[in-house]
Amino acid sequence: GQNIDQPTEMTATEGAIVQINCTYQTSGFNGLFWYQQHAGEAPTFLSYNVLDGLEEKGRFSSFLSRSKGYSYLLLKELQMKDSASYLCATTDSNYQLIWGAGTKLIIKP
Amino acid sequence: EAGVAQSPRYKIIEKRQSVAFWCNPISGHATLYWYQQILGQGPKLLIQFQNNGVVDDSQLPKDRFSAERLKGVDSTLKIQPAKLEDSAVYLCASSNGLAGDSSYNEQFFGPGTRLTVL
Repeated sequence: GQNIDQPTEMTATEGAIVQINCTYQTSGFNGLFWYQQHAGEAPTFLSYNVLDGLEEKGRFSSFLSRSKGYSYLLLKELQMKDSASYLCATTDSNYQLIWGAGTKLIIKP
Repeated sequence: EAGVAQSPRYKIIEKRQSVAFWCNPISGHATLYWYQQILGQGPKLLIQFQNNGVVDDSQLPKDRFSAERLKGVDSTLKIQPAKLEDSAVYLCASSNGLAGDSSYNEQFFGPGTRLTVL
């Protein structure tokens, strides 16, 4: 079967660091995406990992371990505008995106 | 570069009525997706087009939902008749990758249509 798990909600403080985890089981694997979705808006692309390791892009980094079926999104120097849902999505053997339910991140001052 | 356009942004209908959504993808993008996103859940793929052909419609409730992409550009998604459980945001996305393409294939999303069925 195909399954993606991520926490439903997380809370963090402005200026801090937060790590959002994602575990997946898919029939075949062809990369993992992280998208950000503000309330009432469409998802926007954050990162893409296809090989193991850490990809850093400014305040955001994404990590992938294919052998463990695991990824995380790391957000540093949190800002209030980072309050959003973060969606993990993998591509299966047909290169279709399989989406997680998303993690709602709440940033407190 | 203009993004993915969708209309209407909001729609309220009563159950058993019909509704249609329109999507104009990014120019040159061969692949177009329609997703249904229920509040608190991730997007669920309804149908994927490559140009004007259907690649995947396995999760489209075909007894009430239909979609077309004539001429391989704009697309419409129709629900007839609507049910209460169809209340959701309907997202259209496009990409310049092709079905089965092994290369990186980012999807660009439109603003969505929020449908409320009463």
